[in-house]
Amino acid sequence: QQPVQSPQAVILREGEDAVINCSSSKALYSVHWYRQKHGEAPVFLMILLKGGEQKGHEKISASFNEKKQQSSLYLTASQLSYSGTYFCGTLLSGGYNKLIFGAGTRLAVHP
Amino acid sequence: NAGVTQTPKFRILKIGQSMTLQCAQDMNHNYMYWYRQDPGMGLKLIYYSVGAGITDKGEVPNGYNVSRSTTEYFPLRLELAAPSQTSVYFCASRPTSTSGRVSYEQYFGPGTRLTVT
Repeated sequence: QQPVQSPQAVILREGEDAVINCSSSKALYSVHWYRQKHGEAPVFLMILLKGGEQKGHEKISASFNEKKQQSSLYLTASQLSYSGTYFCGTLLSGGYNKLIFGAGTRLAVHP
Repeated sequence: NAGVTQTPKFRILKIGQSMTLQCAQDMNHNYMYWYRQDPGMGLKLIYYSVGAGITDKGEVPNGYNVSRSTTEYFPLRLELAAPSQTSVYFCASRPTSTSGRVSYEQYFGPGTRLTVT
């Protein structure tokens, strides 16, 4: 049931763009994106709801393809502060409160 | 608001010992969660609660117990600690709604790093 994230790791230069993907084998109600900096707690970025629109946060946006059961996180003109591990969490249709997280994508942004 | 607080920050246990990880939130959130995060891995849901007196199992509940007698506190009990329980434990909470809309954002505590040797 765990969603699959790709790639596992990304290295960027400041100002470059990146895409992180999250896919599930189960029908999804929603996809949640969190960012975790090293040694810190995860912080909520955004949520994509079934039937909802694309959401954005600063220069980070995301999409949710219900038919393909996948979501993509777009990081545009990356900044050093974007470094960290990005997790997607999926709420299954009928899954109520059980948010299931992927293994994460490590992003490193260098000057 | 202090948000979500967890104690202790670090703990070393011997195999077979027991302990309680404390979690408190002062935001009057109904939903509370316990996750564990193994090195380099994602978060695994251990237990969750939708309100005082109501708890349910997550993905990896074996070896753990929880209770929720009040809205504010959600302690996690480890009985007979095993090396496989070495992990970072995060407590999180979320409101039922924000500004009249259903809210799904979870607020995480700083974590408890537990080592079982």
